[in-house]
Amino acid sequence: EAGVVQSPRYKIIEKKQPVAFWCNPISGHNTLYWYLQNLGQGPELLIRYENEEAVDDSQLPKDRFSAERLKGVDSTLKIQPAELGDSAVYLCASTPSRVGELFFGEGSRLTVL
Amino acid sequence: AQSVTQLDSHVSVSEGTPVLLRCNYSSSYSPSLFWYVQHPNKGLQLLLKYTSAATLVKGINGFEAEFKKSETSFHLTKPSAHMSDAAEYFCVVSFNAGGTSYGKLTFGQGTILTVHP
Repeated sequence: EAGVVQSPRYKIIEKKQPVAFWCNPISGHNTLYWYLQNLGQGPELLIRYENEEAVDDSQLPKDRFSAERLKGVDSTLKIQPAELGDSAVYLCASTPSRVGELFFGEGSRLTVL
Repeated sequence: AQSVTQLDSHVSVSEGTPVLLRCNYSSSYSPSLFWYVQHPNKGLQLLLKYTSAATLVKGINGFEAEFKKSETSFHLTKPSAHMSDAAEYFCVVSFNAGGTSYGKLTFGQGTILTVHP
């Protein structure tokens, strides 16, 4: 069974440029998460989807961040424009239920210069 | 509100000696608790989980954790460390109540485990 797939694994951009990350969850997993992980810290939730619906986006900086999950499968996280402080690892995770084990992708490491 | 505190940012042990990674939580409702491990440049992997069944939970790779409600703790242990255990470990708490916070996971800051030969 394929795991959670994220791309790109690494991205280097200049500040004020846009960037997008893509996530393909495990087949059949209705709940999808995007987390932000800064160096030396635990992951912090950005947004949680149940199928197509964003059920918790309270910590998503909506002035520059956006996300979508069309058809309740793949998801895209976008930053526009990127700032120096956005340098971090962006993790995607999925689960078949709202409470239980999360399956994580390997993350997308963003460096903003 | 729920929170989780990992009491040690770094733990260093010798190979073959016991491992103890400490975690305390705060939750207004009956929590689910998890330990995840993250090896360098890899995704997080579930080690074990507590979801209101047996208080002593066994996980993969010889790890186990005990849920102690009176102490609001969920410490992770292993009798004998192996070099391959060197990684970062995260304690995680999840709400089990209703509302929009249902299923929201809160991660601790992580504990880096170093294993010396």
